[in-house]
Parts: sequence; structure tokens; C-alpha cells
Amino acid sequence: AQSVTQLGSHVSVSEGALVLLRCNYSSSVPPYLFWYVQYPNQGLQLLLKYTTGATLVKGINGFEAEFKKSETSFHLTKPSAHMSDAAEYFCAVSYDQGAQKLVFGQGTRLTINP
Amino acid sequence: DTAVSQTPKYLVTQMGNDKSIKCEQNLGHDTMYWYKQDSKKFLKIMFSYNNKELIINETVPNRFSPKSPDKAHLNLHINSLELGDSAVYFCASTMNSPNTEAFFGQGTRLTVV
Repeated sequence: AQSVTQLGSHVSVSEGALVLLRCNYSSSVPPYLFWYVQYPNQGLQLLLKYTTGATLVKGINGFEAEFKKSETSFHLTKPSAHMSDAAEYFCAVSYDQGAQKLVFGQGTRLTINP
Repeated sequence: DTAVSQTPKYLVTQMGNDKSIKCEQNLGHDTMYWYKQDSKKFLKIMFSYNNKELIINETVPNRFSPKSPDKAHLNLHINSLELGDSAVYFCASTMNSPNTEAFFGQGTRLTVV
């Protein structure tokens, strides 16, 4: 069965510092991997996704993630944090059950310190 | 022009009542979903419909009944509401592929008192 683990329910960084949000997955088939962001009182918005091909994926707002099959990881990074990055971030694995079934990690709340 | 819209945004109701949440998407997608986000922010799929046909039905109490009058609408009806039903419910839609982006509504915060 597919599952996703996000290490750290809360990450706090200073403005301008590197952001690293960790995600490990378990999947019996080649995974489709996603990062979604949720701002307060909003729905989820796609940051980036990995399906096939290049393992380094670039997304919106300067975020990127690298798919590492050997480590079953899909960590999210951003070189320089901005105050507007403060939000909840969700890693998810998707598989086909007749329709897309997203299995989410528990989320990581990112706080940016001025 | 909102892609996936849910109504209402907030819903406060007493235990035992029956309530509905409506969802509409204007993206032309064939597949729609309901996800539940609990108080710890954990998100879990409840249902999925493809072109009005139920595809995914997770282990959800049968007090929850989705209805899809057409492929652009997926409503969620909840009977005999319980305190534990308090959560944020998100509607989403996708093209019919497991590697595609899901578009989420803004959520409906349901509080059962």
C-alpha cells in the first residue's frame, strides 16, 4: 500500500535561509509524487509534481524537489525563504484506482522568521 | 472565475441534523472528489466520481452520501451529523489520469455542536 511520511510537522527558518521539507514515500509501483501548498483558510494548490523523466522537478514560487528512487524520497527545497512562503505543505503519492487517489503525508507547517 | 467552488464555506449545525455541501467545477474535468481534512490537518480521500459514476468509495460511514447530477457537480450529503464529523471538507477535480494536477475548492469548514 502507498504511504507518505513527512519528517517534521513544523519547520521554522529565517527569511532568506534555505527551506528543506522532507518527504519519504512507500509505493509498490513507480510513484507519481506531488507537493501541494495550503495557505490559511484556502484549498490546496499544486507546487510541483514528478511523473517520469527528469528527477529534479521545478515548481512555482522558486521551489524544487528531487525524486530519489534509492532513498524513496521527494524532498522539497527553496534556496531562499520569503515571508510569503509561510503555509502548510503536503507531500502526496498518487496511484490509479480507476480514478486518481492521492495519499497525503501529515503535512509540514512552514514558519518564516523575519 | 473560480475553477472549483464549494458552498457553503462555513457550516455550523447541531448533532443529528442533515446537511449538504455543494461543489461545482468549470474546468471540464470528468473526475471529481471529496477529501476530508481533520483537526490535525490530515487529508484523506472519501469519494471519487468519474462522469457521474462512483469510482472510489473509501471506508466512510454510510451517513455520507455523494451525489453527482452531472460531471460538473458533486454534492455531499451527510445524515445524522455527529461531533466527529467536524472537519474541513474539500472538493477537487482532475482529468482522468493518476499523474495529473488536482484542483481543490476552498473547503467547507463543518462544525457540529
